[in-house]
This record gives sequence, C-alpha cells and structure tokens, in this order.
Amino acid sequence: EPEVTQTPSHQVTQMGQEVILRCVPISNHLYFYWYRQILGQKVEFLVSFYNNEISEKSEIFDDQFSVERPDGSNFTLKIRSTKLEDSAMYFCASSVSPTKGALVDTQYFGPGTRLTVL
Amino acid sequence: AQSVAQPEDQVNVAEGNPLTVKCTYSVSGNPYLFWYVQYPNRGLQFLLKYITGDNLVKGSYGFEAEFNKSQTSFHLKKPSALVSDSALYFCAVRATGFQKLVFGTGTRLLVSP
Repeated sequence: EPEVTQTPSHQVTQMGQEVILRCVPISNHLYFYWYRQILGQKVEFLVSFYNNEISEKSEIFDDQFSVERPDGSNFTLKIRSTKLEDSAMYFCASSVSPTKGALVDTQYFGPGTRLTVL
Repeated sequence: AQSVAQPEDQVNVAEGNPLTVKCTYSVSGNPYLFWYVQYPNRGLQFLLKYITGDNLVKGSYGFEAEFNKSQTSFHLKKPSALVSDSALYFCAVRATGFQKLVFGTGTRLLVSP
C-alpha cells in the first residue's frame, strides 16, 4: 500500500539555523499538507499546498516558514531561522483532493520528523 | 472556528470487552469527521470518516463510529477490544470549504490482557 514518507526521522539543529524537512507524498495525490505536534500538545495544521501554491495556512505559518515542491515527487518545509519553540514532530500529509461538493478526501500522514532545536 | 474535544485522556478496557472513545465537535455548517490512530514512533493512520449519509460508519480493524448531530458527537467504538488496539486515538473535524483538519488532544487507549 502506498505511503507518505518523510526524511529525516530526527533532525537536531542549533537555534537560528535553517532546516529543510522532506516528504514524498503518495504518487497520485495532488494536495499536500504540513502539520506539527509539540510534545504533549495537539496536532496543529500549518499549511496546505496545491498546484504549486499555498491554498490555506494557519497563523503559525509565518514568514519563517516556506514550502516547495522542487520536483515531481518531493514536498519540503523550510524553517529559515529556527527557534526553540519550533521543536516538535512535523507531519506531512497528502490527499487526492479536498472538499469538492460532497466528496471529501482523506489526508494520509507520514511517520513524522522530530525536530529538536537546541 | 472549529474545535474538537476528547474528554478522556485515557481509556482502560479489558481485552474482549467493548470500547468507546469519546469525541465531541464544534463547527459551522456540516462537519466532516475523522478518526486517526497513532502507534509509538509511527504517523497518524486513518481509521474512518463521516461525510454524509448513514450515521454509523465502519472503518479499519473492526472500528466504527456513530455520528450524532444533536449531541455533536462522533464516538469511536469497537465491539471487542484487542491488546493490539492499545494506541493513541485522535478525532478530527474539517469544516466545509476548509482543508485543514482540527484535531482533538488525543485519547490513549490501554487494552489489558
């Protein structure tokens, strides 16, 4: 069964450094998402991406964050200057299509990248 | 704004007994409701969803959930729990016209042998 994959599984970085988290969505999916889960807290939506554009973002997704689909398979989240509070598990997800009339598709999640900012 | 409440941090059940994990939601318009399960060191795995139609939704691994509009609830159920069902369960809601899933805080299910 196709799965969303993410690399690396664990990333340790120094405060102020840039990190790039990578995801390979399911191959026929068109919509891509990033969520994060700070330890002990809820899973929170960051951003959704379709047709090379951000289609929805949360207030968390400020100017330090960016997303890109650099080729036909990868989807990346860049954090420009990491802060201590960016330490979290970051989940990538993909779906065939979001709400379209009565059709609501399912978001399938990857295993996550644990980001630790020191 | 959408929100989800999972009132129980943990649910304990003996193997073979029925289980219920509770979820209530708040959303404008028609809700789209989801259950995900997370095993240790794994991502969120989709279990089932309610979009429209029959209030009882059947999903993976023998799980089902009942949508109750008047009580704004979407409780997860299984007739006979297995030890292997022990995991963290998340309820999520998506509002019409939005793509984001809004998650609850999660409920840890412990099934004892």
